[in-house]
Amino acid sequence: EDQVTQSPEALRLQEGESSSLNCSYTVSGLRGLFWYRQDPGKGPEFLFTLYSAGEEKEKERLKATLTKKESFLHITAPKPEDSATYLCAATNQAGTALIFGKGTTLSVSS
Amino acid sequence: NAGVTQTPKFRILKIGQSMTLQCAQDMNHNYMYWYRQDPGMGLKLIYYSVGAGITDKGEVPNGYNVSRSTTEDFPLRLELAAPSQTSVYFCASSPLSGRAGNEQFFGPGTRLTVL
Repeated sequence: EDQVTQSPEALRLQEGESSSLNCSYTVSGLRGLFWYRQDPGKGPEFLFTLYSAGEEKEKERLKATLTKKESFLHITAPKPEDSATYLCAATNQAGTALIFGKGTTLSVSS
Repeated sequence: NAGVTQTPKFRILKIGQSMTLQCAQDMNHNYMYWYRQDPGMGLKLIYYSVGAGITDKGEVPNGYNVSRSTTEDFPLRLELAAPSQTSVYFCASSPLSGRAGNEQFFGPGTRLTVL
């Protein structure tokens, strides 16, 4: 069964304290690995898509990387406005639906 | 572009009532999806559509129905509401499948409570 697992469930950081969020996946014929940000009471907001091992994408303080078993979302010098739940999702060979992890809730304090 | 819009934002239903959650997108996307999100759980796919007139079941379709008569609209129907359907419902859309086809764009959600 295809599965996406995120860790940790929750992460508290001080402003400027860099860290990484983990997304491990077991998906038959991975077509894409996606990262979303979700703020309380809002829908998920698309951040990145990664298609093959070794690929990296960056946006401001966020950098997503992909290996054959997992993806990391690196957060460099986070600010309080980076506080949100970060969702990882994958599509398999059928490629139609996103398989979501449960998310990591990030809190950044000043 | 308004993107993906959903109505209503909030709704309280009594057990056994029915309702339709509305979803519309103005990006001319062929693919549309309905997910539910329960506290502490990942989003689960209810139904999806690859184009007008074509729908298919996702992981958790029981108790729901959908239709897709136009490219823009994808309503979700709840018949005989049950407490287990208390959740936040998200509609999403994506362009025609391909390398970029699975980047899904989400609406703001409908928070439904069944009492």
